[in-house]
Amino acid sequence: RKEVEQDPGPFNVPEGATVAFNCTYSNSASQSFFWYRQDCRKEPKLLMSVYSSGNEDGRFTAQLNRASQYISLLIRDSKLSDSATYLCVVNPGYSSASKIIFGSGTRLSIRP
Amino acid sequence: NAGVTQTPKFRVLKTGQSMTLLCAQDMNHEYMYWYRQDPGMGLRLIHYSVGEGTTAKGEVPDGYNVSRLKKQNFLLGLESAAPSQTSVYFCASSYSEYEQYFGPGTRLTVT
Repeated sequence: RKEVEQDPGPFNVPEGATVAFNCTYSNSASQSFFWYRQDCRKEPKLLMSVYSSGNEDGRFTAQLNRASQYISLLIRDSKLSDSATYLCVVNPGYSSASKIIFGSGTRLSIRP
Repeated sequence: NAGVTQTPKFRVLKTGQSMTLLCAQDMNHEYMYWYRQDPGMGLRLIHYSVGEGTTAKGEVPDGYNVSRLKKQNFLLGLESAAPSQTSVYFCASSYSEYEQYFGPGTRLTVT
């Protein structure tokens, strides 16, 4: 089993739709979690951190389920500009710079 | 602030040639990283540094060397390039082991 797994997609949804994707991780001791966004031929950029209690930033909601070892990202009222690849990132914790794991990404395409 | 910059943006090498990729950050970050990204795979850590003068191996260090002589710079060297090193290389920096800021990437082709 990969340490961090994401459905590669692509997810192709109409503008205005709600879309969600999950990311599973294998290390139950993982401490911190993030979603990054990567546009085509660009660098990854932090979208949001994922907290135990869940967090929301505008149209984006991130959740953590420690029992089932996955994180999720929900995008409401999707816009054309949301088309990108979404990477989940898992960090085991303190003194673990070498253990940060990036998922291979989920591609999202929003159609007019 | 420029953030994280990388030079060059593109490079084509012949097998066996050497080159150095330069990463610079102006955020006074302690941590710096070099990743490679290949189609269908996540970012894979090549080498990283937790401070000036320190370097450590990541997941895929073979064929690469690094140096961090100044806090703001992190150099990645390829001593003898191979076609398997064709990839997009990203440098990143962070204040701690959390949020990372990435440079724009270097697209390297080895023929």
